[in-house]
Amino acid sequence: DAGITQSPRHKVTETGTPVTLRCHQTENHRYMYWYRQDPGHGLRLIHYSYGVKDTDKGEVSDGYSVSRSKTEDFLLTLESATSSQTSVYFCAIRAGTGVEVLSGANVLTFGAGSRLTVL
Amino acid sequence: RKEVEQDPGPFNVPEGATVAFNCTYSNSASQSFFWYRQDCRKEPKLLMSVYSSGNEDGRFTAQLNRASQYISLLIRDSKLSDSATYLCVSHSGNTPLVFGKGTRLSVIA
Repeated sequence: DAGITQSPRHKVTETGTPVTLRCHQTENHRYMYWYRQDPGHGLRLIHYSYGVKDTDKGEVSDGYSVSRSKTEDFLLTLESATSSQTSVYFCAIRAGTGVEVLSGANVLTFGAGSRLTVL
Repeated sequence: RKEVEQDPGPFNVPEGATVAFNCTYSNSASQSFFWYRQDCRKEPKLLMSVYSSGNEDGRFTAQLNRASQYISLLIRDSKLSDSATYLCVSHSGNTPLVFGKGTRLSVIA
C-alpha cells in the first residue's frame, strides 16, 4: 500500500475552535488532495496541491485553508470550525502530472480518513 | 447537472447473481475512468481503471461507451464480500478527478 497517513484519525471539537488535519506521504507524489465525504453528497474536493507552495481551490473550499511547505505534508486548516464542517475528511495522493493520459499515474490513493465532529 | 452520475441504489442481490451498474459522464473531454470500491467507514480503493473500450479482472468487467458517455461495471458470481459502495470516476487532462456519489451494493446470502 502507498505510504499515506492522516492525523488525527478522530477529533471532537467545539464550534469556533481552529482545527488542523495533517496528511503525510512517503511516496514523493506531486499531487495531494483534501476531500470531505458526507451522506448524500459523496466525495467533494476542498483543496488540492500540485507542488510545494502550489495549491488551488476545489468545489467546497469556503471555510478551509491549506498549506504545503514540504512535498510530503499537506495540511488542512479550519480556522473557526462550524457544525457544518462535521464530516469525514480524506486525503489523497497522485503521482502523475496530468498529461499522462491512459496511465496508472493518474490513479488516486486515499488515506484512511479523519473523522471530525464539531459540537 | 453533475459531471458524473450514478444510481445510488441500493442494489440488493443474492449470492451468485450477476449485477451491473452504469455511470454517465457529461464531460466529453474525459479521457480515463476508474471504478473505486468503498467499504463502510473506510477509504475508497481502486478497483479498476478503464482507458479504452473496457477492462476485465476476474469476476469484474468494466466497459466504456464514449458515444453514449457511460461506463458500466459488471460483477459476475457475486460474493458477500462484494457488498460495498462503488464509485465511478472520470478524469480529463490536468484537472482533478471527478467522483460520482456512488452505488451501494448489498449481496445477500
